[in-house]
Amino acid sequence: QVQLVESGGRVVQPGRSLRLTCAVSGFAFTNYAVHWVRQAPGKGLEWVAVPSPDGTNDYYADSVTGRFSISRDDSKSTVSLQMNSLRPEDTAVYYCARSGYRGYDFFYFDYWGPGTLVTVSS
Amino acid sequence: DIVMTQTPLSLSVTPGQPASISCKSSQSLLHTDGKTYLHWYLQKPGQSPQLLIYELSNRFSGVPDRFSGSGSGTTFTLKITRVEAEDVGVYFCMQSRELYSFGQGTKLEIK
Repeated sequence: QVQLVESGGRVVQPGRSLRLTCAVSGFAFTNYAVHWVRQAPGKGLEWVAVPSPDGTNDYYADSVTGRFSISRDDSKSTVSLQMNSLRPEDTAVYYCARSGYRGYDFFYFDYWGPGTLVTVSS
Repeated sequence: DIVMTQTPLSLSVTPGQPASISCKSSQSLLHTDGKTYLHWYLQKPGQSPQLLIYELSNRFSGVPDRFSGSGSGTTFTLKITRVEAEDVGVYFCMQSRELYSFGQGTKLEIK
């Protein structure tokens, strides 16, 4: 069955870096896009980033542009999120989620991982 | 950026009674392919969001038929014909017309 599992969340100090990884199974990885979506404690959902399916141009939310970098490894069926210059407002549960795509259009998220908690605090 | 606005933010419903949640977008979600890129999710307590309705009115696999989605352009509605105890949680609308944005969420509780 379709599975997405996040890892790498932990407590980190402001200004430091952290790398999250989403490992997927149960579907043809190269036929789908895998996104990162986050949810601050007690708050709503915020889409964060997705790697371009053709590797030409990744997409980011304005709130993380210039600080976060996303990549995918087709050989390992993983998508990673490198988070630099972390701020307290980056504290959230980070989910990875799958969507279909057509060209540069992305579709709805049909499967989500359980999430990994990132806490940015001194 | 497309802004999504949900109302109400909270809802208390007696089991067996209907419920309705509204979602409005700041721009039309109708694509040139004829589809409307508006979707609904339910996040049950302590869980990840789960897809209920995709592309305006299509129920995802396994979603009970008491859930339905409707609307057009910039105004959308999620309806539950008869609320059950297992329906508690936070409901989110999401647009994928231009990348992604979510509504604030509507918390549904059982009376």
